[in-house]
Amino acid sequence: AQSVSQHNHHVILSEAASLELGCNYSYGGTVNLFWYVQYPGQHLQLLLKYFSGDPLVKGIKGFEAEFIKSKFSFNLRKPSVQWSDTAEYFCAVNAGSNYQLIWGAGTKLIIKP
Amino acid sequence: DTGVSQDPRHKITKRGQNVTFRCDPISEHNRLYWYRQTLGQGPEFLTYFQNEAQLEKSRLLSDRFSAERPKGSFSTLEIQRTEQGDSAMYLCASSSTLGGLETQYFGPGTRLLVL
Repeated sequence: AQSVSQHNHHVILSEAASLELGCNYSYGGTVNLFWYVQYPGQHLQLLLKYFSGDPLVKGIKGFEAEFIKSKFSFNLRKPSVQWSDTAEYFCAVNAGSNYQLIWGAGTKLIIKP
Repeated sequence: DTGVSQDPRHKITKRGQNVTFRCDPISEHNRLYWYRQTLGQGPEFLTYFQNEAQLEKSRLLSDRFSAERPKGSFSTLEIQRTEQGDSAMYLCASSSTLGGLETQYFGPGTRLLVL
């Protein structure tokens, strides 16, 4: 069965630190990859997505993610985090002809001011 | 474009009661999805519609759950004879398949607590 794993359930960083959140999926074929963010008290919002082409994709608020097919990974990065990045981050995949999104368990990111 | 809306935002009910949730997708989005999310987990797929047709249902969706999208616009999700294990956030998302690259946009969710 397809699955998505996010390695860290909780991450605590200081402002201006660099961020990398891991995401690995299990599916050998064509995938579409997404990162969503959920700020406290708000709904899920799309941060960035990859369908094809350049494996380095840029999203909103300075986030980027790199698709590495050989590693089945789609890690999220930001060079310098801000207190306002405190949120829960979810990686999601849809694979092949399967329209539903398969989700990781999420990573709660806390930025200390 | 006002985004995906869901009603109610919160629902508290007693075990055994029926509940119904509504989702209004982004206008002209032809696909509509229902997910369930419990604490500490990512959303889990329940079912989806393309226009008014329900095309797929998860095995998570027991026969107490039913969803409709009668005119291909808003959708309802009904849970009959609620159980405490149904307590969760119920999320609705919509998308358009025009252009072939589908992105799902989410509503705020309905948080259900079954006592």
